[in-house]
Order: sequence, then structure tokens, then C-alpha cells
Amino acid sequence: AQTVTQSQPEMSVQEAETVTLSCTYDTSESDYYLFWYKQPPSRQMILVIRQEAYKQQNATENRFSVNFQKAAKSFSLKISDSQLGDAAMYFCAVTSGTYKYIFGTGTRLKVLA
Amino acid sequence: DTEVTQTPKHLVMGMTNKKSLKCEQHMGHRAMYWYKQKAKKPPELMFVYSYEKLSINESVPSRFSPECPNSSLLNLHLHALQPEDSALYLCASSQAGTGGDQETQYFGPGTRLLVL
Repeated sequence: AQTVTQSQPEMSVQEAETVTLSCTYDTSESDYYLFWYKQPPSRQMILVIRQEAYKQQNATENRFSVNFQKAAKSFSLKISDSQLGDAAMYFCAVTSGTYKYIFGTGTRLKVLA
Repeated sequence: DTEVTQTPKHLVMGMTNKKSLKCEQHMGHRAMYWYKQKAKKPPELMFVYSYEKLSINESVPSRFSPECPNSSLLNLHLHALQPEDSALYLCASSQAGTGGDQETQYFGPGTRLLVL
């Protein structure tokens, strides 16, 4: 069975510091995509970053970058220069066939002023 | 524009009521999704429509009835719900098919449903 594990239920980071959220997964598919979504208390799921498994280069989007280790099935998210607006629940997700995602259980990120 | 809109934002209904949730997107996406999300949990897939046809039904009880009138609209009709159905209902859309950006789902803000 395909699984996604986020082992950190909650994390805190000081404003302007860097934090890394971990995600590991297990899949039998050879071609798949990985995502990080952010869900603030306002509740809308917002796409943070996407990684294609066939690409060796790690994806980056401004202050957000991933460390994708395909052999280790690890997909961590690094947030640099953390801002108060980064406080949210972060979900890692992996595609599972067509139209389906497997979500992790989420990591709640607190940003301290 | 990556906007998916949902109405209403909040809904309170009794167990004998009939109500509908509405979702709309104008990104030209041909796949649309309904998810149910309980507090502090990840979203759970309920239904997927692809090219206005129901592609996936994750064994959802018949008191939830989806409808896709056209490529931009998705409805979820609710009837005889139970208190345990109280949750955040999220709509999402994506390009249909596989590969590249087709795999990326864009979510709406959700409808917070309370069943009394």
C-alpha cells in the first residue's frame, strides 16, 4: 500500500529563521509527482511546490525549496527566512494513479515573532 | 488565474434538510474533485469528475450526490445527513489526464458544514 508519513505533528520556527519539514513516502509506481500544500487557519489548501519524480533537480519556489531523495523516498520542505504568514498546516502528498493523492497527516508550523 | 470558488462558505442544516454545495472554476480544467476534511486531518477524496463524467466514487454514502452540469461547475447535493458528516468540504480542479501539470490539483476555500 502507498503511504506518506509526516513524522513531525508540530514544529516552531523563529521569524526570519529556516525550518525543514520532513516527509517520507512509499510507492510502487515508477512515475509519480510530489507536492507540498499549505493550509492556513483560513482553511484554503494552497499549492506550495511540486516535484516530478523523474527530475533529479530539486524544485524551488522563492523561499521554499525541497530536498528530494528518490532512493530514500524522502521529500522534505525547507522554508527560508520564515515569515508570520507561513504559519499553517503543511501537507505532503504523492500521486497514486490518475486523479488520486495520498496525503500525509500534516505538520503544524508555528512562526514565533 | 488559479481560482476555484465555493459557495456557501458556511452551512448549517438539520438531518432532514436538503441542501447543495457549489463549486466553480474558470481555468479550463476538465477534472473536478470533492473532498471531505475533518479537523486536523488531511482531506479525504469523495468523488472525481473527468470530462463531466463521474470517474471515481470512493464508496461515499448515497446521501451525498454529486453533479457536474458543465465543465466549470460541480455540485454536491446533500440529503438526510448525519451529525458525523459535519466537516469542511473542499472542491478542487485539475487538468485531466496524466503527466506534468495535469497532476496538480487546485483547491477552493471550502464550505464548513454543520449538521444538527
